[in-house]
Amino acid sequence: DAGVTQSPTHLIKTRGQHVTLRCSPISGHKSVSWYQQVLGQGPQFIFQYYEKEERGRGNFPDRFSARQFPNYSSELNVNALLLGDSALYLCASSLWGRGTEAFFGQGTRLTVV
Amino acid sequence: SQQGEEDPQALSIQEGENATMNCSYKTSINNLQWYRQNSGRGLVHLILIRSNEREKHSGRLRVTLDTSKKSSSLLITASRAADTASYFCATDARRDDKIIFGKGTRLHILP
Repeated sequence: DAGVTQSPTHLIKTRGQHVTLRCSPISGHKSVSWYQQVLGQGPQFIFQYYEKEERGRGNFPDRFSARQFPNYSSELNVNALLLGDSALYLCASSLWGRGTEAFFGQGTRLTVV
Repeated sequence: SQQGEEDPQALSIQEGENATMNCSYKTSINNLQWYRQNSGRGLVHLILIRSNEREKHSGRLRVTLDTSKKSSSLLITASRAADTASYFCATDARRDDKIIFGKGTRLHILP
């Protein structure tokens, strides 16, 4: 079975640009969560979606948005990129969100220059 | 502020020794999970322990949970070079749908 897949693996963007990151969950999983991990820190929660509805949101500015599609895949969008947005962005899928094991993809390494 | 805080921040032990990492959290939780991360890539799920459980085992891993002290520990027995990684605890708070990670413990197994 395929695990959680994220694309692209690496990405370089310029300040002010927009970026879209994609995530495909494990087959049968209905919940997707997004995390930002800055070097040397633990992952910071950004969003959780379940059955295409937002279930949780972390302390991130409105420049960050996400959505979940009918096939349960998800996109994370970041507008007006800042240098501080450079990080590893991780996607995790689980059967139904809280209380169930979350499985992570390998992440997208975003560098903003 | 982050919910979970791991202790110690870094740990170096000889291969074959046991490694113990601790996690403290602040609010009531539904469950607590431990993850391993190699070289800043994806996290690997190790164990989930629910708030009504006190101990769980998986292979060489043993996790305990003390909800009265709001703390958990991860024990890795008979450590191997492949155990070198960062270990994170993540808590699922009862009050909301956020999963909060600590800053992690960097474990280095010496040959």
